[in-house]
Amino acid sequence: DTAVSQTPKYLVTQMGNDKSIKCEQNLGHDTMYWYKQDSKKFLKIMFSYNNKELIINETVPNRFSPKSPDKAHLNLHINSLELGDSAVYFCASSQVLSGGVGYEQFFGPGTRLTVL
Amino acid sequence: GDSVTQMEGPVTLSEEAFLTINCTYTATGYPSLFWYVQYPGEGLQLLLKATKADDKGSNKGFEATYRKETTSFHLEKGSVQVSDSAVYFCALSDESGYSTLTFGKGTMLLVSP
Repeated sequence: DTAVSQTPKYLVTQMGNDKSIKCEQNLGHDTMYWYKQDSKKFLKIMFSYNNKELIINETVPNRFSPKSPDKAHLNLHINSLELGDSAVYFCASSQVLSGGVGYEQFFGPGTRLTVL
Repeated sequence: GDSVTQMEGPVTLSEEAFLTINCTYTATGYPSLFWYVQYPGEGLQLLLKATKADDKGSNKGFEATYRKETTSFHLEKGSVQVSDSAVYFCALSDESGYSTLTFGKGTMLLVSP
């Protein structure tokens, strides 16, 4: 009965490879997000999808391509991985009503990506 | 753009000590304010929130009051426990929609017995 789940939990790969991280939420929310947490614990929004439509793309390299096949899923595909992509990636979801203010985001457990 | 500034850590306290973690923000309009907590090896959990000026959020003995005049949302707890050791993030969600969060850099709290 996990609310927001991510797979895999750990991902170790070589530079130049392509990898995907999957996210699913069973909360019935209409908005999903990807955040990146760097080695100093700083969290920054990468993407946001509302009803499967991309609404926020925060100056993320185009090697990162999110895909939302339905409202419950938001996957992150990364091409040509670089050392600087090593981080923890968190998926989150929320239900955003008109105005979109003040609604709690529920976070997944994170995916620790290590690029060698 | 929006920004959140938190006091740098780590904050090291003995059990039952009083905790304050300062948080100030910059945003246009009337953002909602949040404190999230991240326990070691886990994702983020909402600790408390406030959606308008003078609101007080509270949960598990933690409190924070939305002060618009000082643009602050300081986190307090009267008596910390070892189990409170974690990283605490202050965050805001502005009125531009979709509840995207802008986070502070996080403050690590270490509580010793």
